[in-house]
Order: sequence, then C-alpha cells, then structure tokens
Amino acid sequence: DGGITQSPKYLFRKEGQNVTLSCEQNLNHDAMYWYRQDPGQGLRLIYYSQIVNDFQKGDIAEGYSVSREKKESFPLTVTSAQKNPTAFYLCASNGVGETQYFGPGTRLLVL
Amino acid sequence: AQSVTQLDSHVSVSEGTPVLLRCNYSSSYSPSLFWYVQHPNKGLQLLLKYTSAATLVKGINGFEAEFKKSETSFHLTKPSAHMSDAAEYFCVVSLYSGGGADGLTFGKGTHLIIQP
Repeated sequence: DGGITQSPKYLFRKEGQNVTLSCEQNLNHDAMYWYRQDPGQGLRLIYYSQIVNDFQKGDIAEGYSVSREKKESFPLTVTSAQKNPTAFYLCASNGVGETQYFGPGTRLLVL
Repeated sequence: AQSVTQLDSHVSVSEGTPVLLRCNYSSSYSPSLFWYVQHPNKGLQLLLKYTSAATLVKGINGFEAEFKKSETSFHLTKPSAHMSDAAEYFCVVSLYSGGGADGLTFGKGTHLIIQP
C-alpha cells in the first residue's frame, strides 16, 4: 500500500527543546516537501528536496532544519530558534512531472 | 510572480444544493491550477488539476472546475452537495504541470459548511 506516512500524529515541545518530525514515502518519488499550516492560512513552504543529499530553503525556513540521507525519508527538525512552532505540519512528495501528494500531517503543540 | 485569491473564507450550502467555491489567480506564465480538499486534521487530497488541456476539468466526488483565462478564474463547482463534502478547500497555482519544485502557491482556503 503506497503512500506517505508522518509520525507522530501529535507532538509536544517544551521550551528550548528541538523536536523531529518524521516523513517517509514508498512512492519512489524524488522530490519531497515540508509545509506549515496555520489556522485560516494556506500552506507555506519550509524546505524542499529534489534529490538525495540536497535540499533548499522555502519561504519560512528560519528555525527549521532538514536532512535527506535516503530517498524515502525527509525528517524535519523544529529547533529552539523557532519561537512560534505551534502549527500543523504537512509533508508532500512527487515524481517528475507529477502532482504533489500529501501525508496525513503532524500537529505540534508547545507545553 | 504568482498569487491565488480564494474569494470566500467560508461558504455554507444546504445538502442537495449546488456548490460554488471561487478562485482567482495571477501568474506571469501559463499556469497549472489545482484544487485540493482537506478534512479536519488530515492531509490534503487532490480533487482535480488543470494543465492547459481541456478548460473544463472533472475531478473526484463529482467536483469540476472551469479555467477561464479572460477572467483569470478557476472556480470549483458541484451540482449537489453531500454532507461528506464539508471540509477545507484550497486553490493552488503552479508554474509547473506537476506542481513540484518551489512553484506551488496556495490560496488561504475556503471552509465549506453543509447544512442538513
């Protein structure tokens, strides 16, 4: 059953803590993306990666970091530098010339 | 540069009546246009896409959208609303037919409410 999985579904962060959101896809897609969604807002691009071991900043990369060591995995770390991390985070992927497909999302909350 | 404007933040219709969700776009190039649907606390699901073929695009669940270049619009319609259609809908514009790379621009969403 192909698709994109994100874990955990809910994540709690304490002040000053780094947390990592997981995104895995078994669609053999080259490109992967991380978006942030806030209430009443569209999605905003955090980072994207077109190929393994390469990634680019999106519109709101400050306070976030990523890695792309494997084609199927694109984890996102929310660092302590991100002062307003509470949001719904969506991972997406696509093959060349194909439409983006989205994972189920992770909701990050601050304690 | 490209941008998307969804003209209504909320739309409320009765079950069985038509649905119209409005979207206008701005793009320097011939764009690709998409509609996605998001149910509460879920990821986004592609409803339909326009990539310079037929201007009337049919999607899943009975939805369709018409690309009107002269009006720079890509409105989403459905003849008869169902309770399961209640969700958030996003209009998206892209420079690329695949919607990939960094050229994907999202509208702010329209919340569709279905009254019984």
